[in-house]
Amino acid sequence: KQEVTQIPAALSVPEGENLVLNCSFTDSAIYNLQWFRQDPGKGLTSLLLIQSSQREQTSGRLNASLDKSSGRSTLYIAASQPGDSATYLCAVNHDKLIFGTGTRLQVFP
Amino acid sequence: GAVVSQHPSWVICKSGTSVKIECRSLDFQATTMFWYRQFPKQSLMLMATSNEGSKATYEQGVEKDKFLINHASLTLSTLTVTSAHPEDSSFYICSARDKSVEKLFFGSGTQLSVL
Repeated sequence: KQEVTQIPAALSVPEGENLVLNCSFTDSAIYNLQWFRQDPGKGLTSLLLIQSSQREQTSGRLNASLDKSSGRSTLYIAASQPGDSATYLCAVNHDKLIFGTGTRLQVFP
Repeated sequence: GAVVSQHPSWVICKSGTSVKIECRSLDFQATTMFWYRQFPKQSLMLMATSNEGSKATYEQGVEKDKFLINHASLTLSTLTVTSAHPEDSSFYICSARDKSVEKLFFGSGTQLSVL
């Protein structure tokens, strides 16, 4: 059974810091991995999608890497801003999407 | 981009009543839709996979008779919480798979509160 874990569970930082969020999964047989953002009481916003054959994807201040063999992905957020405050979820896809435990991020001015 | 519409966004009901949540793909055909449940400060847990024209596949521990899923068309899946109880209070989110781009799109979620 696929299990997805995220570390840290919560993070509070001053704005401007560069951040690394970690995601690990137990079964490396995945099609792809996605990072999502969720604001309180809201749905999900897809941030980055990495196919199993790829090593990383970038979008603006966000960079996600994937090491499928070791079952790990990281989301790098550069120059964090208060507007980045949200819960970040990674999810691995193999016919169905299994979500990680989430990292609650707070960036204060 | 593709849009998935989920209604209602929030619902309050009395214990023992049934509640239906709709999930529609607005500009693509979704042969597969997924239903998730999220308790406060927890991650999304997959409840079931809904395939158009066939029975849903439920995850272990999810009661199929309590959470009825119907996927009667390529653009609509419904989740009915039957005889709802306070412990069913949760945030429910659907997602739909657009096979043409092999991506999943999510609804905005439904907050269910059972009194």
